[in-house]
Amino acid sequence: DQQVKQNSPSLSVQEGRISILNCDYTNSMFDYFLWYKKYPAEGPTFLISISSIKDKNEDGRFTVFLNKSAKHLSLHIVPSQPGDSAVYFCAASDRGSRLTFGEGTQLTVNP
Amino acid sequence: DTEVTQTPKHLVMGMTNKKSLKCEQHMGHRAMYWYKQKAKKPPELMFVYSYEKLSINESVPSRFSPECPNSSLLNLHLHALQPEDSALYLCASSRAGGDGWRAFFGQGTRLTVV
Repeated sequence: DQQVKQNSPSLSVQEGRISILNCDYTNSMFDYFLWYKKYPAEGPTFLISISSIKDKNEDGRFTVFLNKSAKHLSLHIVPSQPGDSAVYFCAASDRGSRLTFGEGTQLTVNP
Repeated sequence: DTEVTQTPKHLVMGMTNKKSLKCEQHMGHRAMYWYKQKAKKPPELMFVYSYEKLSINESVPSRFSPECPNSSLLNLHLHALQPEDSALYLCASSRAGGDGWRAFFGQGTRLTVV
């Protein structure tokens, strides 16, 4: 049973535009959500996180939105840059222990 | 220092070999993790150590044996692996919990079993 889902395997956007990556989850016990960026043959790099008591967190070009009632979160990148091209994983945690990852979305930002 | 260091970066081993993967962090984190990632798949949790004690084993076959010698080190001992065990093995560490929790990942060890 896939508890964290990223339904878009890939996303392509133009440089300077907004990238929106989506994630859905099913487990109501998840109380902390994170986005990681990953390049091939490297470990995931933390981008931004959000606690279940908040609905928005912003860090520079990156904003994460959480809709608890819909069990949905999204990552907005504005403006998108070619260096943002990577696989983005949504992850969820239950009380700060194990991370459950989504399948990932390959973001390509075209110059 | 916000690094998790994994060695070796690449490892090729036969099905009868015994090898070990090593992981080190100096962030004072008391939770350490092993994840396995196959190509085009998300990382999957294998083991969690909390305060040097094994707290989670996700039904991993006994040919994988974790060890946490101290709060900074985490090993994964490998024996009699199968070709399907070839994957990227990721180590991570974190605080034990609390506000602003996040896991830091190492670069991984690319394991090939022949």
